[in-house]
Amino acid sequence: EVKLEESGGGLVQPGMSVKLSCATSGFIFSDYWMEWVRQAPGKGLEWVAEIRNKANNYATYYGKSVKGRFTISRDDSKSIVYLQVNSIRSEDTGIYYCTSGRDSYAHVDWFAYWGQGTLVTVSS
Amino acid sequence: DVVMTQTPPSLSVAIGQSVSISCKSSQSLVHSDGKTYLNWLLQNPGQSPKRLIYQVSNLGSGVPDRFSGTGSEKDFTLKISRVEAEDLGVYHCVQATHVPHTFGAGTKLELK
Repeated sequence: EVKLEESGGGLVQPGMSVKLSCATSGFIFSDYWMEWVRQAPGKGLEWVAEIRNKANNYATYYGKSVKGRFTISRDDSKSIVYLQVNSIRSEDTGIYYCTSGRDSYAHVDWFAYWGQGTLVTVSS
Repeated sequence: DVVMTQTPPSLSVAIGQSVSISCKSSQSLVHSDGKTYLNWLLQNPGQSPKRLIYQVSNLGSGVPDRFSGTGSEKDFTLKISRVEAEDLGVYHCVQATHVPHTFGAGTKLELK
């Protein structure tokens, strides 16, 4: 059974930092690109970041609204993907989901697996 | 960035009715590898999204065949035949051909 479990959310003051984690199991993590997607309260989905796998040199990509403030990383030995959020703003409030990207062999496409999300609330 | 224009923003349907949702992209979604990475997701109330369709027309794992996807290049459609109560929620189209990946604004499917 595939599982993705996010953690690390909570109440964060503007300007501060938070690190989100997504622990996974049930699939060969090291083969997959991994994504973070967020959803502001009552709004649609917004793609945040992608990290590719070792075969793709762990390349990273970001949405415009987070570039320079967010950093995606991964630990293949632990099957965990992270999202470091710096200089957090009120508009970063929302549920942060981790989701799977494509796998190395192009057998599985993006967004096949999702976690339950972790809520980040930015407020003083 | 690729803009995904999804319509309508909401739909009111009766159980058993068929509906269609449109998603149009500002650029072609045909990747250099020849594939088109257009997905449809369903987010039931209070739940995480679930992938319904990938690469325009392929059903995700466990997705009933009353869902179907069609389209090419820049124009895509999700059709739901014989809507059931479990189909209610918000439908999202999302492209993964280009970085940044981009979502449509969503279509809320409600009961009439």
